Amino acid sequence: AQTVTQSQPEMSVQEAETVTLSCTYDTSESDYYLFWYKQPPSRQMILVIRQEAYKQQNATENRFSVNFQKAAKSFSLKISDSQLGDAAMYFCAYLSGGSQGNLIFGKGTKLSVKP
Amino acid sequence: DTGVSQDPRHKITKRGQNVTFRCDPISEHNRLYWYRQTLGQGPEFLTYFQNEAQLEKSRLLSDRFSAERPKGSFSTLEIQRTEQGDSAMYLCASSLRALGSPSSYEQYFGPGTRLTVT
Repeated sequence: AQTVTQSQPEMSVQEAETVTLSCTYDTSESDYYLFWYKQPPSRQMILVIRQEAYKQQNATENRFSVNFQKAAKSFSLKISDSQLGDAAMYFCAYLSGGSQGNLIFGKGTKLSVKP
Repeated sequence: DTGVSQDPRHKITKRGQNVTFRCDPISEHNRLYWYRQTLGQGPEFLTYFQNEAQLEKSRLLSDRFSAERPKGSFSTLEIQRTEQGDSAMYLCASSLRALGSPSSYEQYFGPGTRLTVT
């Protein structure tokens, strides 16, 4: 069975600085997708970024980028120029390309942004 | 596009009572998913529908849980004889699965229904 591990329960960053959130996963599949979701306090889950396993190029969305290391089964999220609004729980999630659709989530990392 | 909506947002019930939650997906999305999230954990998959067909159920979905999506649009999740262990946030998500489209694997979540069983 696939598993997703986020080893950092909490992280803190100074406003305007850069922070990297870690995620590792375990799978024997070759076709899969990886996601980062953001969940602000008492607000709904928001998709941040998607990475297809077959793509070598790391995904980027504005200030958010990933470091996808397929052989190492690592999928970290880098947030540049951190803003107060980035404070939230961040979840890494795995989706089997052959599955019907259930995302497998890590336990999350709580990110605090200091002004 | 108004996003995924869920109703109610909060529900407090006594142990043993039945509760029903509703989810309205993004219009035209053909897939709808239910997840459960407990405090300090990531969401856990419960079940999903493609159009009106329920295609997969997790082992977490005991016999007391039932979900429907009768016309392929909104969905309901019913919990019978609630237990204190059912207290959680119940999340609904939807997606538009289309062949050959990587973006179709993206799931969009609603705000959730927080259930408290006393």
